[in-house]
Amino acid sequence: SQQGEEDPQALSIQEGENATMNCSYKTSINNLQWYRQNSGRGLVHLILIRSNEREKHSGRLRVTLDTSKKSSSLLITASRAADTASYFCATAAGAGSYQLTFGKGTKLSVIP
Amino acid sequence: KAGVTQTPRYLIKTRGQQVTLSCSPISGHRSVSWYQQTPGQGLQFLFEYFSETQRNKGNFPGRFSGRQFSNSRSEMNVSTLELGDSALYLCASRDPVGQSGNEQFFGPGTRLTVL
Repeated sequence: SQQGEEDPQALSIQEGENATMNCSYKTSINNLQWYRQNSGRGLVHLILIRSNEREKHSGRLRVTLDTSKKSSSLLITASRAADTASYFCATAAGAGSYQLTFGKGTKLSVIP
Repeated sequence: KAGVTQTPRYLIKTRGQQVTLSCSPISGHRSVSWYQQTPGQGLQFLFEYFSETQRNKGNFPGRFSGRQFSNSRSEMNVSTLELGDSALYLCASRDPVGQSGNEQFFGPGTRLTVL
């Protein structure tokens, strides 16, 4: 079953603008991760945020986590055409067996 | 290090046949997970193997099975194929005891089409 729900489902912006994607989930988590997928290819890991963290940065990426609202956001600053892809959030419930539950993703289009 | 490799990349089968997909994890990674991606259901967890043992299984029928070998390579098998099995099958590996233990590295996937 899908735990994460990304919002919006699709986003179109101009190059240089910022893109914000949101993710909501239903159960308690150990950590939340964001992945990027280009045109039906494999997933690329972007960033992981643990349940006891509130914000994390990596290059042009900024992720926030609000466990009280069971939600996360991914901000991509100064977007580039190469950022065009689908973005998925994935949650991991436990520290033992490692099963990721993915949302349906946000399709981002960055127009040059 | 070489990334996760999956073979074959594309596969066309007919209903009722069976198929075996292969995954070679990143060297040193002992955990391998499989996911199915379809337009309707999105990304769904199939199973995870660690040191040749299945540690967790998703909500899929028994037609879906897998195994892991002593060199950590993994195979998944789907028997009696149905049209709905058409999907991108993704394999991911991780190093549970390494610094990036929580990060899963995905392969390019095998695109299975069932006719």
